[in-house]
This record gives sequence, structure tokens and C-alpha cells, in this order.
Amino acid sequence: GAVVSQHPSRVICKSGTSVKIECRSLDFQATTMFWYRQFPKQSLMLMATSNEGSKATYEQGVEKDKFLINHASLTLSTLTVTSAHPEDSSFYICSAEAGTSEATNEKLFFGSGTQLSVL
Amino acid sequence: SQQGEEDPQALSIQEGENATMNCSYKTSINNLQWYRQNSGRGLVHLILIRSNEREKHSGRLRVTLDTSKKSSSLLITASRAADTASYFCATAGTSYGKLTFGQGTILTVHP
Repeated sequence: GAVVSQHPSRVICKSGTSVKIECRSLDFQATTMFWYRQFPKQSLMLMATSNEGSKATYEQGVEKDKFLINHASLTLSTLTVTSAHPEDSSFYICSAEAGTSEATNEKLFFGSGTQLSVL
Repeated sequence: SQQGEEDPQALSIQEGENATMNCSYKTSINNLQWYRQNSGRGLVHLILIRSNEREKHSGRLRVTLDTSKKSSSLLITASRAADTASYFCATAGTSYGKLTFGQGTILTVHP
């Protein structure tokens, strides 16, 4: 099946630094990728929708200047947490959409997630 | 906003027993999906059921969907210790790929 690679799997950084997380579709082209955030023992919250070649669409309450998303190619989307603070510590997961048929929900593949810890 | 409500929040059973998890949602959907997540890991897609379907099977999994009640259930039969994980339902509307996740059920299967 299709594979989505997310890197790094774990990162620890100091408060005030920026962290970049990569999400790659390895064997398919993903025109759309999604970024989710998950706090411990909670559900996943959609942060933004990333479209190749255009600006990302952010969900209400998500600061676009804080969470910079770049989708420069059909196989790579990046999420940069700028000036990270302890409250940004969370599990970040990306997903990539394969195909353009009406059944694209059936072709949604998730990365393995990135655990961000900000000290 | 999160629209999925799942119950129970936690379920503890013995190996061999069946596990049933329920999910309710608020708005109309295109389909509903169930995912599994092991602690600190990514999501694994289990099964998708479309809004015009009522029941679907995949191996030891059985999913039902009642759109009139806006609810779904996931049944895992003959559970195994390896089934221990968090299970999430997620709904999709007309915007393909954008999923709204439920709060999840933490399933513990004791050997």
C-alpha cells in the first residue's frame, strides 16, 4: 500500500527555536496533505489543509504565522513550528490524499507522527 | 470542531471476548472511518463505511452505521492482546480527506 513518511519521529527543542517536520508521500503524488495535532490521550484536531503550489488553508484558531506550511512539490509538505513554546508540545501527524476519484477518502494515508517536546 | 463522541472512553476485556465501541456524530457525512492508534504512533486505517451502507465486515471487524441516529459501532470479535490500542472514528463530509475525529476509545485486552 501507499506509504507516507514523516520525519523526524521525535524532536526535543528549546523554547524559542523553530522546528520543521516533513511529510513525504513515497510512492504516489499527493496534491493535498493534511496536518493534525494530538494532545496526550486526546483526539486528533485538524490544523490545516496543504495544497501543492498554493497557500495552506488553516482551521479556525490555528495561527498561520505560528505554524508555517509549505507544499512545494507533489510529494512533500512541511510544517514549521516557529518560535516554539512548551504549550506547542504535542504529537503532530500528517496525512496525504492519493488519487482524485470521488472515493478519495479511501485513499488517505497517515504518517507515523512526530512527538514535539519544547523545553 | 470535534463532532465525534465515542463511548466507552475506555474498555478493558479478556482475550477472546468481543469488544464494541460506539461513535456518534452531529452533521451529515459522506462516510465514516475507523482508525487504530498504538500509543505514540501514527494511525492505521481499519475500515470505511459509506453513508449509504449499513454494515461492513473486514476480518474480525464489523462496523455498522445508522445515519438516522448519526451513530456507528465497531465490533472486534475474538479479541487478542495485540488489539490493545486506541480506536477512533472519523467522519468525512463533502471535503474529501478532511476528517473529524471522535474522542477515541482506549481498548485494553488482557491475555
